[in-house]
Parts: sequence; C-alpha cells; structure tokens
Amino acid sequence: DGGITQSPKYLFRKEGQNVTLSCEQNLNHDAMYWYRQDPGQGLRLIYYSQIVNDFQKGDIAEGYSVSREKKESFPLTVTSAQKNPTAFYLCASQTGGSQGGNQPQHFGDGTRLSIL
Amino acid sequence: SQKIEQNSEALNIQEGKTATLTCNYTNYSPAYLQWYRQDPGRGPVFLLLIRENEKEKRKERLKVTFDTTLKQSLFHVTASQPADSATYLCAPTDTGRRALTFGSGTRLQVQP
Repeated sequence: DGGITQSPKYLFRKEGQNVTLSCEQNLNHDAMYWYRQDPGQGLRLIYYSQIVNDFQKGDIAEGYSVSREKKESFPLTVTSAQKNPTAFYLCASQTGGSQGGNQPQHFGDGTRLSIL
Repeated sequence: SQKIEQNSEALNIQEGKTATLTCNYTNYSPAYLQWYRQDPGRGPVFLLLIRENEKEKRKERLKVTFDTTLKQSLFHVTASQPADSATYLCAPTDTGRRALTFGSGTRLQVQP
C-alpha cells in the first residue's frame, strides 16, 4: 500500500545534540511538508518542498533544517538551536499543484520528540 | 493576522445523534477548506474538501458547509457512532499559500 512512513516513533534528544527525523513516501508526490504539533495548538508549518532539491521555510523554521535529495525522502533535522523541541512532528505529502489548499495532504503517523 | 478558531472544549454526544463542529476564521478569505480526523498518537486523515463556491459537500454520514459571509464552516456527523470519537481539524487555506493552515481541533466523544 502507498503511504508515508515516519521513523522513529519516539526520539529523545540530549542537550546540544542534533537529531534527524526520517520521512519517506511512496505515493509519487512532488510536495512534502513538515509540521509541528503542540498540545492544544494546530499544526504549524516548519518547512516544505515542492520539488527535489528545493525547499522553503515555513512559519517556524528557526532551529530546524531539511534536505530533499530524492523525491521519496524529506528528512528533518532538529538542531541544538531549537530550544524547545519537545513536540509531535508530522510529515505530509501532496500531489503537485499551483495551490496548496486544493488537494488533500497525506500524513505519516508522526515522531514524538522529547528532551532527556 | 489570520486566525482560525475551533472549540477547544470536547463535544460529548450520545450514539445516534448528529454532531456539529464549528470552524471560524478571521482576517482572510480562504478559497478551500479541508477537514481532517486525528486519532491519538496518529497523523491526521483527510475527510473532505470544500471550495469557496460550494455551499455544501457530503460524504457518507459526513456533511460540510462553507459560509464565506459568516466566515464559518460547519462539520456534521450524522447517526454518530463511538468509532467517530476523535479530534477533528479544519484547514481553511488561502489561495496564495502553498501549505495548509490548521485550526487546533475539536475533540468529539460519542457515548454508546
């Protein structure tokens, strides 16, 4: 079955450490997204990519970095500069299009990141 | 700035009744509005998309309305079942924006 796989499901970060969250999709979608979800808040956009080798900052990109070397993969690195990284991180993909809201997004089941 | 409001209090209803969830938005005019279902510890799952020129959309027991004058969408679950218990997120999205903008969600609890 086609879908999005996020790993690991749970991740712990030590002070000063960078950690990388994996996101892989086999839906042949051009666009991929990273969101952060905190309790009682909506999903907030961290980064997105519309095509391989190109990505744009979202609303809360500080302290995060991404790469898009393959269509299927969009890893997110949470750097030590992100002072409050504890959250639920969601990756999504979408078919290409001129506007983001006119197509549904497909989500993975998230990675929960905590501070040790 | 754009603001999306969904009732943060959980909605508790009896099985078989109709649940109605509200999504209000201010300071922008979205061309599309999507609804998602999210279960605990899982990613959101797409349910319905409605466009600004559509007043209503249905899918099985689900119905969504989009009132651009009131700046509001209503999400109805008819003949509700305990399996419908989840958090429902709305995403009214601007034409100029590539990614979705989400509300914080409303938890629906259907009692047997």
